[in-house]
Amino acid sequence: EAAVTQSPRNKVTVTGGNVTLSCRQTNSHNYMYWYRQDTGHGLRLIHYSYGAGNLQIGDVPDGYKATRTTQEDFFLLLELASPSQTSLYFCASSEKNSGNTLYFGEGSRLIVV
Amino acid sequence: EQQVQQSPASLVLQEGENAELQCSFSIFTNQVQWFYQRPGGRLVSLLYNPSGTKQSGRLTSTTVIKERRSSLHISSSQITDSGTYLCAITNTGKLTFGDGTVLTVKP
Repeated sequence: EAAVTQSPRNKVTVTGGNVTLSCRQTNSHNYMYWYRQDTGHGLRLIHYSYGAGNLQIGDVPDGYKATRTTQEDFFLLLELASPSQTSLYFCASSEKNSGNTLYFGEGSRLIVV
Repeated sequence: EQQVQQSPASLVLQEGENAELQCSFSIFTNQVQWFYQRPGGRLVSLLYNPSGTKQSGRLTSTTVIKERRSSLHISSSQITDSGTYLCAITNTGKLTFGDGTVLTVKP
């Protein structure tokens, strides 16, 4: 089974702080995704990528940057964290963009105070 | 407009009962997936069902594209089936999720 590892698993930061969430997948999948999950909103796509150096905008990109440095690594950056970004963040990967199973990481819980 | 709607929002069953979860979507798509999530946990793909009926163990999914709906049937529910079941569709290359159905199975 595909392995997707996220870090940190839990993070508390202050408003205006700088946060980087990391994701690594070990199955050479082309596509990687960052989602946030909030009560009442379900899972919402922030950014995704179909390969190293590529970045695509998702449905809720404001306040987030992302970078895909290698086939394996996808980072989500919050440069000026706000309380509205308190959420559970999931990274996922898939071989293709559609019709393929997504493999999710364990999630990173971020609290912005 | 929410593209993917799931019902019921929550469901409580006695162990051994069957569950029927519904998913409807506002667009035509032939890419429908079902996921399972424990509270605050990782999502796991259950079934990819673009159309027709697919079965995996005690899970059966039926997707009717022209009616823009999919269902997930869980037979003989077990306590370990408790969690959230999410339906997702692919639209313009992106996976869009519903809010999920929270299933609680009691002994």
